[in-house]
Amino acid sequence: GDSVTQMEGPVTLSEEAFLTINCTYTATGYPSLFWYVQYPGEGLQLLLKATKADDKGSNKGFEATYRKETTSFHLEKGSVQVSDSAVYFCALSDQDTGRRALTFGSGTRLQVQP
Amino acid sequence: SQTIHQWPATLVQPVGSPLSLECTVEGTSNPNLYWYRQAAGRGLQLLFYSVGIGQISSEVPQNLSASRPQDRQFILSSKKLLLSDSGFYLCAWSVVGTQYFGPGTRLTVL
Repeated sequence: GDSVTQMEGPVTLSEEAFLTINCTYTATGYPSLFWYVQYPGEGLQLLLKATKADDKGSNKGFEATYRKETTSFHLEKGSVQVSDSAVYFCALSDQDTGRRALTFGSGTRLQVQP
Repeated sequence: SQTIHQWPATLVQPVGSPLSLECTVEGTSNPNLYWYRQAAGRGLQLLFYSVGIGQISSEVPQNLSASRPQDRQFILSSKKLLLSDSGFYLCAWSVVGTQYFGPGTRLTVL
C-alpha cells in the first residue's frame, strides 16, 4: 500500500537558518502530494501541495517540488522564524477517486530558537 | 468561504462511558468527510470516511462508530470508551482532493 516516510525529529534550528525536511513516498500511480503544518493544540493546516511531477508548491516562504524520479517531496525554507515552530506532515492522496483519503507521514517537529 | 467546526474542544471521560463528537462543515455541498485520530507524538490514522449522507466506511476495526445524518454533519461515537481511545480526533472535508481539517477534539479517557 501507499506510504510516506519523513525524517525523524525534532529538528532544531536557529532563526534565519535554512530548513529542509525530507519526505519520500511509495505509491502506485501518480498521487498528489501535500505538506500540512500543525501548531500546538490545533488542527492541521494545508501549507502547500503539488499535483503532478515537477510541480513546485509554495506558500509563506516554504517550497517543495514533486520529484517523481526520486519519489520525494522535500520541504524547504530559506530563512526560518520562531513562528515556524510546529509539526510538519507530508501526505499523499489516495488514488481511489471515491475515497480520496490521505496517507500521512509520522510528522517532523521543528523548533526554531531565537 | 468554507469553515469546519468540531466540538467539544476537549473532553475527559471515564472508561466505559459513551462518546459523541460532532463535526459540521459550512460553505460547501456534498463533501467527503473524514475522521482521523492522532495519538500522542504520532501521525494521523484514518478511522472513517463518508462520501454521502448515511454512507460510512470504516478503515480499522475498533470501538468507535460514525454517522452522517446530514450532508454537512459527521458524528463519531462510542458506546463504551476504552483507555486506548484517548487521543486527538480530527475531522476533515474535501471536495476535489485537498483535505481541510477542523480544530480537533482532545479526548482523555481515565
